Amino acid sequence: EAGVAQSPRYKIIEKRQSVAFWCNPISGHATLYWYQQILGQGPKLLIQFQNNGVVDDSQLPKDRFSAERLKGVDSTLKIQPAKLEDSAVYLCASSPRGGSYEQYFGPGTRLTVT
Amino acid sequence: AQSVTQLGSHVSVSEGALVLLRCNYSSSVPPYLFWYVQYPNQGLQLLLKYTTGATLVKGINGFEAEFKKSETSFHLTKPSAHMSDAAEYFCAVSFYNNDMRFGAGTRLTVKP
Repeated sequence: EAGVAQSPRYKIIEKRQSVAFWCNPISGHATLYWYQQILGQGPKLLIQFQNNGVVDDSQLPKDRFSAERLKGVDSTLKIQPAKLEDSAVYLCASSPRGGSYEQYFGPGTRLTVT
Repeated sequence: AQSVTQLGSHVSVSEGALVLLRCNYSSSVPPYLFWYVQYPNQGLQLLLKYTTGATLVKGINGFEAEFKKSETSFHLTKPSAHMSDAAEYFCAVSFYNNDMRFGAGTRLTVKP
């Protein structure tokens, strides 16, 4: 079974530039999550999708972050414009459904904003 | 609100020694509890989980954890540390359809 795929693995941009991350979840997983992991901290949920609908985006900075999950499969997370404090690892995870099922994580995208 | 506290941001043990990583949670209803491990430049991998039933949970790589409701704890243990156990460990809590909240993590170092 293929795992969660993410690209790119690394990205360096200057502040005020835009960036996009892509995630392909495990086949058949209805729930998809995006997390932000700042160095030295645990992952923080940004947004949760159930199929192609948003379940929770309460911690997503909507003035600069956006995410979509078209057709309930792949997802894209965008930052526009980026700030220095956005430097972090962005993790994508998927699960068969929310709740007690564990989440399966991709390798992450390490973003550095200079 | 649910939250997780991991005691000790860094734990160092000798190879062959007991590993004990501490996790406490706050919750007004029974939680689902998880331990994940993260190796450098990799995503998180599930070690074990507690949802219902037996309070002593066994996971991969010889790790286990015990859910103690009275102490609101879910500490992770392994009888004998191996060099390959060196990594970052995260405790997490979630409810029925809620998001997963992670602790700040504990970095485990294993000395030869």
